[in-house]
Amino acid sequence: DTGVSQDPRHKITKRGQNVTFRCDPISEHNRLYWYRQTLGQGPEFLTYFQNEAQLEKSRLLSDRFSAERPKGSFSTLEIQRTEQGDSAMYLCASSIAGGNVYEQYFGPGTRLTVT
Amino acid sequence: AQKVTQAQTEISVVEKEDVTLDCVYETRDTTYYLFWYKQPPSGELVFLIRRNSFDEQNEISGRYSWNFQKSTSSFNFTITASQVVDSAVYFCALSEAPQGGSEKLVFGKGTKLTVNP
Repeated sequence: DTGVSQDPRHKITKRGQNVTFRCDPISEHNRLYWYRQTLGQGPEFLTYFQNEAQLEKSRLLSDRFSAERPKGSFSTLEIQRTEQGDSAMYLCASSIAGGNVYEQYFGPGTRLTVT
Repeated sequence: AQKVTQAQTEISVVEKEDVTLDCVYETRDTTYYLFWYKQPPSGELVFLIRRNSFDEQNEISGRYSWNFQKSTSSFNFTITASQVVDSAVYFCALSEAPQGGSEKLVFGKGTKLTVNP
């Protein structure tokens, strides 16, 4: 079990460019979450997948953001036409599904800086 | 609506002191789950504990202990005999259990703990 991995760890981009981040969850986890964390704040929920289905999106997820999990394994988060306000740490987490609410395991995050 | 409040923004202690991190939550559900996570300077969130709303037993794990009180909607975390390696930001989080919905975590703003040698 290698844990949740995210790539890249850091991304610097110019305003207006598109960026894409990847998340590989723990292999037996069928639930995958994306969160965003800005300086001095707790993580905020963006979106959630169960297997390949995207079941919930936060109002924080503007139409410039899109997420996919095509085969129910890894997931990508794309931000189009980046803005300076998109600068944040993007965190991916995964968990197992079941009758209870289980803990989510987080990856190291992708730190995005928009200049 | 769900809300988690961690009123202590920063705490600084000297090694070997005991320290308690406060967490107060709001939810309309009767079934919910509470969590604590640690975020060391490296940045990766580390899961510490999960507690469901039907289990009010306090828990102890080594130097860590948690006090869950539904009457005051609090889930406080105590570190006994703190060590420099405990320095981190600690987050309390809440998840409701909506049928068929996500179990997204709602986080507090975190408490930055600094343990000085």
